[in-house]
Amino acid sequence: QKEVEQNSGPLSVPEGAIASLNCTYSDRGSQSFFWYRQYSGKSPELIMFIYSNGDKEDGRFTAQLNKASQYVSLLIRDSQPSDSATYLCAVNIWAGNQFYFGTGTSLTVIP
Amino acid sequence: NAGVTQTPKFRILKIGQSMTLQCTQDMNHNYMYWYRQDPGMGLKLIYYSVGAGITDKGEVPNGYNVSRSTTEDFPLRLELAAPSQTSVYFCASSGQGTYNEQFFGPGTRLTVL
Repeated sequence: QKEVEQNSGPLSVPEGAIASLNCTYSDRGSQSFFWYRQYSGKSPELIMFIYSNGDKEDGRFTAQLNKASQYVSLLIRDSQPSDSATYLCAVNIWAGNQFYFGTGTSLTVIP
Repeated sequence: NAGVTQTPKFRILKIGQSMTLQCTQDMNHNYMYWYRQDPGMGLKLIYYSVGAGITDKGEVPNGYNVSRSTTEDFPLRLELAAPSQTSVYFCASSGQGTYNEQFFGPGTRLTVL
């Protein structure tokens, strides 16, 4: 069983604050890790991916990966109301290129 | 590039009816996937394909069938619709390799009454 767990939330933060989203995974064979944003009624869209231990930054977003702890997180700095969405964590295990998704964390940024 | 397209956008079926959800991608991706997403839940893999002529089951394949005769197309068939198949269906594609992201279609919202 390849499990991907996320804190389901909902998570509420004030505008301008840092939002922290967490994800753990069970399969140590996991190779790469993706964060998708999904607005209500829309399809998931990629925000970031990471495959090496440490931090990866892209604008206001930072992904953090710790393979020893089987943990990946997404930090959103200077949160904006437009960041209000569900954030899905996905794990790629290099066996047929399958992706396993968490149930998502709902984020609300309060103006 | 249109990316991944899906038809129809919405559909209401009666119990026992059949239908095919269409999915086409124009990125020459080898890998294609079908997911379902129930309200407040993540994505569950139904079927996937690693290339034309090759398909395999995902986590929740019961009640569905797929085929992959071309690189571009990956239709999903529901043979005998049941209320439990009410969901939003997403098709996705990706290139080959561990670090390739998935690109999603806009989804099909299916209701079975």
